[in-house]
Amino acid sequence: GQQVMQIPQYQHVQEGEDFTTYCNSSTTLSNIQWYKQRPGGHPVFLIQLVKSGEVKKQKRLTFQFGEAKKNSSLHITATQTTDVGTYFCAGPNRGSTLGRLYFGRGTQLTVWP
Amino acid sequence: SAVISQKPSRDICQRGTSLTIQCQVDSQVTMMFWYRQQPGQSLTLIATANQGSEATYESGFVIDKFPISRPNLTFSTLTVSNMSPEDSSIYLCSVAGEGGETQYFGPGTRLLVL
Repeated sequence: GQQVMQIPQYQHVQEGEDFTTYCNSSTTLSNIQWYKQRPGGHPVFLIQLVKSGEVKKQKRLTFQFGEAKKNSSLHITATQTTDVGTYFCAGPNRGSTLGRLYFGRGTQLTVWP
Repeated sequence: SAVISQKPSRDICQRGTSLTIQCQVDSQVTMMFWYRQQPGQSLTLIATANQGSEATYESGFVIDKFPISRPNLTFSTLTVSNMSPEDSSIYLCSVAGEGGETQYFGPGTRLLVL
């Protein structure tokens, strides 16, 4: 079945270092979304990528969608302690009811001050 | 984005009992969803809550175990029936954002079954 794989599962960085998480799908995605979940919190929508090769930036966060629309990445430049949390990618369930999403396993980011 | 609230925020329950979780949205939304997130794990979609008809369940989830109600466009409930410790999890409701593809989540209900 459709799967969204995400690596790494954990990442520990020193404050100021960069961080990247990668997401791969077994099938072509119509779009890919990224969510952040702070410890003890709920997932919060960050961004949606739709076009092949699309790149979007939010301050220190850079999101990319692969040319084949099967992979995506989230890169954080110069991490801060406020970046701590788990980052999930999610892709739509192919050919099904709008809104149903498959979530990757998530990358749990720890930032040491 | 919609403001979503859930009740209760957390609960500790005995095995064999049932718990009903409420999800309230501050605006009318077409699509509402229920997810489960087990400790340290990703989110798994339980079902789509349809207004005026039965919920649509994902593989591995059944109505007898997780009955869902959706009486109107701002409210839904999820019941976790005949609970066992394996049901200990965070239960999240979500609504579809503009365009129907993205999702906004409620704060979650943290359930511990003893």
